[in-house]
Amino acid sequence: GAVVSQHPSWVICKSGTSVKIECRSLDFQATTMFWYRQFPKQSLMLMATSNEGSKATYEQGVEKDKFLINHASLTLSTLTVTSAHPEDSSFYICSARDPIGRGGEQYFGPGTRLTVT
Amino acid sequence: GESVGLHLPTLSVQEGDNSIINCAYSNSASDYFIWYKQESGKGPQFIIDIRSNMDKRQGQRVTVLLNKTVKHLSLQIAATQPGDSAVYFCAENTGGFKTIFGAGTRLFVKA
Repeated sequence: GAVVSQHPSWVICKSGTSVKIECRSLDFQATTMFWYRQFPKQSLMLMATSNEGSKATYEQGVEKDKFLINHASLTLSTLTVTSAHPEDSSFYICSARDPIGRGGEQYFGPGTRLTVT
Repeated sequence: GESVGLHLPTLSVQEGDNSIINCAYSNSASDYFIWYKQESGKGPQFIIDIRSNMDKRQGQRVTVLLNKTVKHLSLQIAATQPGDSAVYFCAENTGGFKTIFGAGTRLFVKA
């Protein structure tokens, strides 16, 4: 089946620094990717929709200047958490939509654990 | 982002018994529903899906039931196994490709 990878799988950074997380679709081209955030014992919260070649669409309450999304190719989307603070510590999960296979089903990455100290 | 609920309810079942996990969805315009399984520290894993023109769909050991009248979705797992222990999320899609997750239920399987 389709595979979506994320890198890194976990990262620890100091408060005030920026962190980039990569999401790749390994065996299909994804015109649309999604970024989610998940706090402990909670559900996945959709942050933004990333469209190849255009600006991302952010959900209400998500700061676009803090969470920079770039979808430069059909297989790669990146999320950069700028000026990270401890409250940004979370599990970040991406998904990629396969527009051709299985009627547009989404495939999820394994997640990236971000800890800001 | 949108989501329903901030705390995970828990379901505890004996190995070999059937499990039923329920979910109430929020948007009457949603036309596609998915159940995901998430193990600790991992991303969601697709289990089964159903479109709004159906009220039941069966997979291997799993069945999804959809009641659009009351906006209710359920996942039935037959002969529950220890490997089924995880958090289960229902998710809805309104056709705009955005998938919105429900609150989730933690399933414990007792050996």
